[in-house]
Amino acid sequence: GESVGLHLPTLSVQEGDNSIINCAYSNSASDYFIWYKQESGKGPQFIIDIRSNMDKRQGQRVTVLLNKTVKHLSLQIAATQPGDSAVYFCAENYSGGGADGLTFGKGTHLIIQP
Amino acid sequence: ETGVTQTPRHLVMGMTNKKSLKCEQHLGHNAMYWYKQSAKKPLELMFVYNFKEQTENNSVPSRFSPECPNSSHLFLHLHTLQPEDSALYLCASSQLFGANVLTFGAGSRLTVL
Repeated sequence: GESVGLHLPTLSVQEGDNSIINCAYSNSASDYFIWYKQESGKGPQFIIDIRSNMDKRQGQRVTVLLNKTVKHLSLQIAATQPGDSAVYFCAENYSGGGADGLTFGKGTHLIIQP
Repeated sequence: ETGVTQTPRHLVMGMTNKKSLKCEQHLGHNAMYWYKQSAKKPLELMFVYNFKEQTENNSVPSRFSPECPNSSHLFLHLHTLQPEDSALYLCASSQLFGANVLTFGAGSRLTVL
């Protein structure tokens, strides 16, 4: 079964607001997590990743938070822009999992309202 | 441009046709992948090649036949497909085999009539 999923399939936010996309995972052995962004007509693109020895990691306008206690992952996007409209996927893997161990969630569609 | 180019971008075929999808990466990566993306389903790994040697075949039906002549090119040969095979087929590459950070192409949208 699928161990990685998303709470909401669609998220609509106002331009300039912050967005939070959530992801739950069930595999306790997972120690690596990654977010991808897929714009319309394009393939998924790497955004940010985090290892299980960290709780938080920041990038440019994006922050990933990891709560291992409740097996929860979130992606925060600050001051959303029209270009942030896309489907966002979380994925997990475990040490030694390799290509076969990389498990993707179904995705959340982020819509930016003008 | 992502560095991974897929052709054709759109393909419509009948169930008795034979067609091929092509993928080319210009990144000098050593591993290449085929994924299937269906509506409302997670990405499904189909095939993995490491230095042009196949390492994974995730129970994919034989009507899908991959080919990797070198580490820069990857093909997916299609034969006697079913309508449920209609999906977006994504090619990806990574510098090392089994890496989690993949560079994806834009995909080939396949419709089987």
